[in-house]
Amino acid sequence: AQTVTQSQPEMSVQEAETVTLSCTYDTSESNYYLFWYKQPPSRQMILVIRQEAYKQQNATENRFSVNFQKAAKSFSLKISDSQLGDTAMYFCAFGAGNMLTFGGGTRLMVKP
Amino acid sequence: DSGVTQTPKHLITATGQRVTLRCSPRSGDLSVYWYQQSLDQGLQFLIQYYNGEERAKGNILERFSAQQFPDLHSELNLSSLELGDSALYFCASSPRTGGSTDTQYFGPGTRLTVL
Repeated sequence: AQTVTQSQPEMSVQEAETVTLSCTYDTSESNYYLFWYKQPPSRQMILVIRQEAYKQQNATENRFSVNFQKAAKSFSLKISDSQLGDTAMYFCAFGAGNMLTFGGGTRLMVKP
Repeated sequence: DSGVTQTPKHLITATGQRVTLRCSPRSGDLSVYWYQQSLDQGLQFLIQYYNGEERAKGNILERFSAQQFPDLHSELNLSSLELGDSALYFCASSPRTGGSTDTQYFGPGTRLTVL
């Protein structure tokens, strides 16, 4: 079974600054994907970014990028130029087989 | 908007009752997944259907059941409801059989409150 750990329950950042959210996972799988989902106050789960485990290159989507360290089983999310709309819960998720395993989430507050 | 729809948005019912949650996947997606988000358990995978057949099962209680119909919409049935079943229930869909290569797109969720 997989486990996903997000060690930062809450974080805050000033608007326009950069923030990094941490995620570690434990697995014996060799073929898997990793995801970051955002859950704003509306409660909708929104895909932010995904990383294929077989790719060494870190994924990037506009202001969002990941630092994927496969050997360390670490998958952190960096948000650059933080905006007020980035305020949300962020969930790291591990995808293998037919299911996603989620971490406990990090609540991010972007302050004006 | 992910393209996944769920009804109803909110549901309030009493202990011991039975409810049905409905999900329509994105156009063209064959797989449907159900997740439960509660305060104490976090986000947990319940069950997956692919093209009408059960494909994977997670932490789903025996009181809960699901099915996927020929038009690919899915229903999650919750019976003998308990206070602890109060949660946000998400449906997600993906194009293929699932597996680690598929990205899952989530619906807006159904908020279930059991009184």
